[in-house]
Amino acid sequence: GQNIDQPTEMTATEGAIVQINCTYQTSGFNGLFWYQQHAGEAPTFLSYNVLDGLEEKGRFSSFLSRSKGYSYLLLKELQMKDSASYLCAVRDKVDSGYALNFGKGTSLLVTP
Amino acid sequence: KAGVTQTPRYLIKTRGQQVTLSCSPISGHRSVSWYQQTPGQGLQFLFEYFSETQRNKGNFPGRFSGRQFSNSRSEMNVSTLELGDSALYLCASSTVAGGSYEQYFGPGTRLTVT
Repeated sequence: GQNIDQPTEMTATEGAIVQINCTYQTSGFNGLFWYQQHAGEAPTFLSYNVLDGLEEKGRFSSFLSRSKGYSYLLLKELQMKDSASYLCAVRDKVDSGYALNFGKGTSLLVTP
Repeated sequence: KAGVTQTPRYLIKTRGQQVTLSCSPISGHRSVSWYQQTPGQGLQFLFEYFSETQRNKGNFPGRFSGRQFSNSRSEMNVSTLELGDSALYLCASSTVAGGSYEQYFGPGTRLTVT
């Protein structure tokens, strides 16, 4: 089994930067995902990290430290449309395949 | 390239009935995974299929089953429905591209059990 922890809620101001943290414990780590999910919609893929370090994609960056079981998602120049739930998910090697196990999500509210 | 499609989008069933949900992955993707999402439990892994073989199964009762066809399309079946099975069922297709793993979700099937 594994534990994936991320804050339940965060609030930030339009134009600001916000960092959403995720810690995990797993026995067969095979990558970490970040997804964005707006209410009533399916999750949208944001990033995938399998090696340590920072991956940057426009306004979104994701960092991974495998030794610390830690990742963060950094959102810059926040826009109102960034208000959503952000899901951290760990891909775990199990038996002959893989399972993607999700945290409960961080609900981000961007205010004017 | 078309995204992941799921049918039906909405479904209402009665306790005790059974239901079959369908998922068509992105063209070229051979791996399909299924998830259940509820407000209380969040997103939970159901099973993963690759080349018609179930590679892994999450912690769900045997009432939940699935299969994958040779064209990578997948179905999941829930028998003897219970009220607690009411949820959004998400299918995701995945592939390895440029050395990186990518997974994309379909819009989901919202199942309501009454």
